[in-house]
Amino acid sequence: AQKITQTQPGMFVQEKEAVTLDCTYDTSDPSYGLFWYKQPSSGEMIFLIYQGSYDQQNATEGRYSLNFQKARKSANLVISASQLGDSAMYFCAMREAFTGGGNKLTFGTGTQLKVEL
Amino acid sequence: DAGVIQSPRHEVTEMGQEVTLRCKPISGHDYLFWYRQTMMRGLELLIYFNNNVPIDDSGMPEDRFSAKMPNASFSTLKIQPSEPRDSAVYFCASSLRTSGDEQFFGPGTRLTVL
Repeated sequence: AQKITQTQPGMFVQEKEAVTLDCTYDTSDPSYGLFWYKQPSSGEMIFLIYQGSYDQQNATEGRYSLNFQKARKSANLVISASQLGDSAMYFCAMREAFTGGGNKLTFGTGTQLKVEL
Repeated sequence: DAGVIQSPRHEVTEMGQEVTLRCKPISGHDYLFWYRQTMMRGLELLIYFNNNVPIDDSGMPEDRFSAKMPNASFSTLKIQPSEPRDSAVYFCASSLRTSGDEQFFGPGTRLTVL
């Protein structure tokens, strides 16, 4: 079974609108972390936001917020007020602490976001 | 800090040649990771080190791949002999020990094996 699932290979959003990128995960580890990274066309991987499994509140970083629904095992990324520069590939990733995962990340397949005028 | 440094940024070689990719992690980071990204397989972890010691190399595809970390500020990923299917972008990343810390990625090395 996939540990990280991103079901949207591509998404379009109008500039200034909000967009939600989906991510579901599968783990039996009670302690884990969820990350979102952005990869623009230039290729670098840029960290956006982190949510720990024991965090009580949803993480927020500027225009990025993480809609963490633990019971549903989902960690969707919400980008508010989209900008043209948000056009990129977005990856969801999970780190499991105790099930042999150590400190390594497992990445989803990514969602290509295109922001339009 | 300069961030994670990788060299070369681009490498074009012929099948059968040895390829060495280099990485300098962020100073003070305990963990170093090597990833490979392809269209077909996405982003895959190849190997990672903690305090210069390899912890998990289960992602290394074949014996043709090897990685070393002789000290805290330098790591290499070597492919010998290289094959066309090794063509990919190879990323190095580093992170601190704390569980909530993100991995900082280098710019990647785009490898093309002809």
